[in-house]
Amino acid sequence: DTGVSQDPRHKITKRGQNVTFRCDPISEHNRLYWYRQTLGQGPEFLTYFQNEAQLEKSRLLSDRFSAERPKGSFSTLEIQRTEQGDSAMYLCASSYSGQAGETQYFGPGTRLLVL
Amino acid sequence: AQSVSQHNHHVILSEAASLELGCNYSYGGTVNLFWYVQYPGQHLQLLLKYFSGDPLVKGIKGFEAEFIKSKFSFNLRKPSVQWSDTAEYFCAVRGKLQFGAGTQVVVTP
Repeated sequence: DTGVSQDPRHKITKRGQNVTFRCDPISEHNRLYWYRQTLGQGPEFLTYFQNEAQLEKSRLLSDRFSAERPKGSFSTLEIQRTEQGDSAMYLCASSYSGQAGETQYFGPGTRLLVL
Repeated sequence: AQSVSQHNHHVILSEAASLELGCNYSYGGTVNLFWYVQYPGQHLQLLLKYFSGDPLVKGIKGFEAEFIKSKFSFNLRKPSVQWSDTAEYFCAVRGKLQFGAGTQVVVTP
C-alpha cells in the first residue's frame, strides 16, 4: 500500500494559465475527495467522487475548476485561467465507503502558486 | 450548516506538559468526528476518530479524545507531550469533512 499520491507536488504558474493536478488514491478505495487549504486555515471541501461519478461540488468550485475521475481510479483537477486567489495547497483524499466508519486518507498535496 | 471551531490557534508548551485542544462542532445529524495531525513537511494523518460507542476514544501516539454530546465537543488530550508532537492539529466532522482552522502546537525541549 503506497498511500495516496499527488502530482506535481509544487506548481508555479502565471495568472491566466491553465493547470492540472493528478491524484492517485489507495487502490481499493472507491471514494476520492479534493480539498483546498490556504495558510492558517483547515482544508475546505471542493468535490468528491464515488467511483467515476462526481457526487457533490462545493460552492468554492467555480466554473474555472473541473474535476474528473474517468475510470474510477485516478482523478484530475484542472483550473483554467488561474487567478492569484487560486494559490493554495490542493489536497486529495480517498476512502472506502463500504467500511463502517469511513475514514479519509490524505495525499501530500500540490502546492500552487499563481504569480 | 455544519461548522467546526477550534479554540486555540497556537499553543506553546514544554515537554512532559499535558495538552488539551478544544473542538466544538455544529451539526444536527449523526456525527462522525476526527482529529488529524500534520507534522512539519508531512501530509495530514489520522490521529483518532469517533463514530459511535464509547465516547472516550484512544488514538495513536498516546492521544485520546472525548465526545461530549451535550456540549457538542470533541476535545483532544495527551497527558505528557514530547518534542515530536510539534505539529498542527485539525478537528473535523462528518464524511465530507468540515475542518476547523487548526491549532499549531509547539513543544519546547
